[in-house]
Amino acid sequence: NAGVTQTPKFQVLKTGQSMTLQCAQDMNHEYMSWYRQDPGMGLRLIHYSVGAGITDQGEVPNGYNVSRSTTEDFPLRLLSAAPSQTSVYFCASSPRTARPSGNTIYFGEGSWLTVV
Amino acid sequence: AQTVTQSQPEMSVQEAETVTLSCTYDTSESDYYLFWYKQPPSRQMILVIRQEAYKQQNATENRFSVNFQKAAKSFSLKISDSQLGDAAMYFCAYRSANTNAGKSTFGDGTTLTVKP
Repeated sequence: NAGVTQTPKFQVLKTGQSMTLQCAQDMNHEYMSWYRQDPGMGLRLIHYSVGAGITDQGEVPNGYNVSRSTTEDFPLRLLSAAPSQTSVYFCASSPRTARPSGNTIYFGEGSWLTVV
Repeated sequence: AQTVTQSQPEMSVQEAETVTLSCTYDTSESDYYLFWYKQPPSRQMILVIRQEAYKQQNATENRFSVNFQKAAKSFSLKISDSQLGDAAMYFCAYRSANTNAGKSTFGDGTTLTVKP
């Protein structure tokens, strides 16, 4: 039961570097999302996808790119890291409406990113 | 766009007592899901309870129950017999039942302290 797997768990980047946070789910969920959580704050949506080949912006998309070539994978790319992107990043997935089980959102364990 | 508001940034409760966390939301939809998630210091997101809007009966999970008032767009979480392990940040979340929606909206969270 892997669920949602994020890698890496911890990363330190220098300003200007680029990197990709990986997210994979094995539950055949159509919906996947990336959130960031700054210290003491709530979750802010970066990008999301309703299925392979379809992505859309959330409330804080600047500085990030995503793609969804398969149902399983939804990587998040930081194009040129800035200290303001220091945060914990969560990947989440959920199925399309499937009553009676409903639309529970499943989260990865988070990726802690520090940009120096 | 949907919004979720948690008006209590911090709450505290004495061990073994009852506490209620508030959540209100704004939506024009009639079919949706509401969730409460718990986030302990490890930052893991743990589903506490889920409510489907078309169900009038309030959801319960052991010591956790909700008061779902659809007309008032209110979704509060009651924790009975509070335990030290309940100390965490709690997030209220909204998810449309529209199969094209694909994203969820979270409140800013309420930090719950449990006093021994």
